Amino acid sequence: AQKVTQAQTEISVVEKEDVTLDCVYETRDTTYYLFWYKQPPSGELVFLIRRNSFDEQNEISGRYSWNFQKSTSSFNFTITASQVVDSAVYFCALTQRGSASKIIFGSGTRLSIRP
Amino acid sequence: KAGVTQTPRYLIKTRGQQVTLSCSPISGHRSVSWYQQTPGQGLQFLFEYFSETQRNKGNFPGRFSGRQFSNSRSEMNVSTLELGDSALYLCASSAGSTSTDTQYFGPGTRLTVL
Repeated sequence: AQKVTQAQTEISVVEKEDVTLDCVYETRDTTYYLFWYKQPPSGELVFLIRRNSFDEQNEISGRYSWNFQKSTSSFNFTITASQVVDSAVYFCALTQRGSASKIIFGSGTRLSIRP
Repeated sequence: KAGVTQTPRYLIKTRGQQVTLSCSPISGHRSVSWYQQTPGQGLQFLFEYFSETQRNKGNFPGRFSGRQFSNSRSEMNVSTLELGDSALYLCASSAGSTSTDTQYFGPGTRLTVL
């Protein structure tokens, strides 16, 4: 069965601190896709990144970076120099080949950035 | 390019009633998926429509149904509402031509059942 675990329910840091959101996944498939979505208070899920199971390259986009490690089944997300606007709930998610529409979401991590 | 739109944004119903939610996908997207988000169960997949056909289905009772029109707009219907149906209902669209397309979400419809 597929499963995504986000052990950190809530994180609170002071602005400009770096913060890492953890994500551990379970799947028996060899081909799968991992995602991070951001959900601000408005409710809309904002797509941040997609990574396929054959691409373990880390990615950096501005202040955001992602560390994908198949050996530990983890796909962690780091925000560098956090800002108040980063406050949101962040979801890690997983889909399998042939069923991209059926996203399995983690329970989410609520990130609060204090000024 | 306009994003995914959902109407209405807020809805209040009473137990036993039925409700219809609407979703307009991003222009050119042919796949529409629906998700239910509750504090207790989190985000759960309801179903997906592609080219007017249900392509994928989650584990929800038959009271939850949907359809897709030829212009890719989709509606979701919940009959005989229960208190536990109170949730944020999110719609997502993707190009849908392959199984690897990324889904983009709308702002959601918040349904309250009294």
